[in-house]
Amino acid sequence: AQSVTQLGSHVSVSEGALVLLRCNYSSSVPPYLFWYVQYPNQGLQLLLKYTSAATLVKGINGFEAEFKKSETSFHLTKPSAHMSDAAEYFCAVSRSGGSYIPTFGRGTSLIVHP
Amino acid sequence: DAGVTQSPTHLIKTRGQHVTLRCSPISGHKSVSWYQQVLGQGPQFIFQYYEKEERGRGNFPDRFSARQFPNYSSELNVNALLLGDSALYLCASSFEAGGTGELFFGEGSRLTVL
Repeated sequence: AQSVTQLGSHVSVSEGALVLLRCNYSSSVPPYLFWYVQYPNQGLQLLLKYTSAATLVKGINGFEAEFKKSETSFHLTKPSAHMSDAAEYFCAVSRSGGSYIPTFGRGTSLIVHP
Repeated sequence: DAGVTQSPTHLIKTRGQHVTLRCSPISGHKSVSWYQQVLGQGPQFIFQYYEKEERGRGNFPDRFSARQFPNYSSELNVNALLLGDSALYLCASSFEAGGTGELFFGEGSRLTVL
């Protein structure tokens, strides 16, 4: 079975500081990995995805993530946080065991202080 | 182009009642997935449909059912509602059932069961 663990249900940063949201996955086959963002009272929007090409993936709004097979990680980073980045972030994994149905983590709430 | 649309956006039901939630996918997308998102948690997979056939089912009781129509729109039905069914129900579409697993989400239907 595939699974995703997001470390830290809440992450708090100051505006302009580095954002680091952690995601570790479990998969018996090479995974596809995703980061989605959810703003209050909205659905999920894709930030970026890893599908076995370059291990460093760049997404929208200045976010990027690096696939590290040896660490089974896919952490999300942004060099400088903006107030508008405050939202819920979800890591997801698919393609494990022949199933392409994504499995989502519990989410990390990013809080940005002025 | 219109994104994934869901209706209703909000609804309140009482225990034991039945609810029908509707979803229209992005034009050209043939697969629809349903997820349940309980407050403070990540989306949990309920169903996936592709070309009107069920392609996947999550760990939900038989009170939950769904179907997909020839125009690729979909309905999620929940019978005998319980308080624990209160959640945001998300519909997501994709061009195919497999692929990378990338999903395009609607804004959800928020169900409150009293």
